[in-house]
Amino acid sequence: SQELEQSPQSLIVQEGKNLTINCTSSKTLYGLYWYKQKYGEGLIFLMMLQKGGEEKSHEKITAKLDEKKQQSSLHITASQPSHAGIYLCGADVEDTGNQFYFGTGTSLTVIP
Amino acid sequence: GAVVSQHPSWVICKSGTSVKIECRSLDFQATTMFWYRQFPKQSLMLMATSNEGSKATYEQGVEKDKFLINHASLTLSTLTVTSAHPEDSSFYICSCPGQGPHFYNSPLHFGNGTRLTVT
Repeated sequence: SQELEQSPQSLIVQEGKNLTINCTSSKTLYGLYWYKQKYGEGLIFLMMLQKGGEEKSHEKITAKLDEKKQQSSLHITASQPSHAGIYLCGADVEDTGNQFYFGTGTSLTVIP
Repeated sequence: GAVVSQHPSWVICKSGTSVKIECRSLDFQATTMFWYRQFPKQSLMLMATSNEGSKATYEQGVEKDKFLINHASLTLSTLTVTSAHPEDSSFYICSCPGQGPHFYNSPLHFGNGTRLTVT
C-alpha cells in the first residue's frame, strides 16, 4: 500500500520557473523528510519537518508541513537544471508500526 | 563521510543464483535497518524492516523466503536475494536511524545502494 501520495508524478519546467511538489497522507505524519535522488544513486537529504505548520528553507528550496501534519509541499524558486531529479518525501506514518515509507516520487526535468 | 556502508554497489549474476547485499553502520549501532527496492522511474518501496536479534518484518507482497534478511549484529544487516531471476533486477538500498529506533527524532542514514542485474 502507498501511504504517501506525491503530485505531480512528473514535472517539466523551463529554467527560471517556480514549481511546487506535494506530498499527502490520510494519516498523521511523524516527521516528514524530503530527499532528492537520481535512479540508481544514493539519496540527498534536503529537509526534515517535524512540527505542524513548520516551514524550512535552504537556498531556493522551501518545504512546509501543514498544521494537521498530513500534507507537505516542496517549493523551488527560479529552478535550474541542477534541480532536476527525483524528489521523494518520506515519513513514519501513524499506525504503520514504526516503518519509514517513501512517497510515490516526482520526476523533475528542468529545460535550459 | 558515509555512515552506512553498502556493498556491493553493483552486481551482475546469472538467473538462479543468490546474491547477498550487506549494509554496515559505521561508528554507531543500527538496531533497525530498512530495506528498499527501486525500479526505474519509480519511488523507493519498503520491502522489509530488520531488527537486530529478531525476525524481520516484511511488507505485504514481499516474499520472505526469497528475500532473506539477517540482522545478526548491531552493525550489520544483510539482504540475500535467493534464486534470483531477471525480474529481481532492481536498485536496492538500505537505511537506518542514526540514534535508536525513533528515527523521526534523528536523521536517517542511507547506503549508496546496490544495482542488481540478473541475466
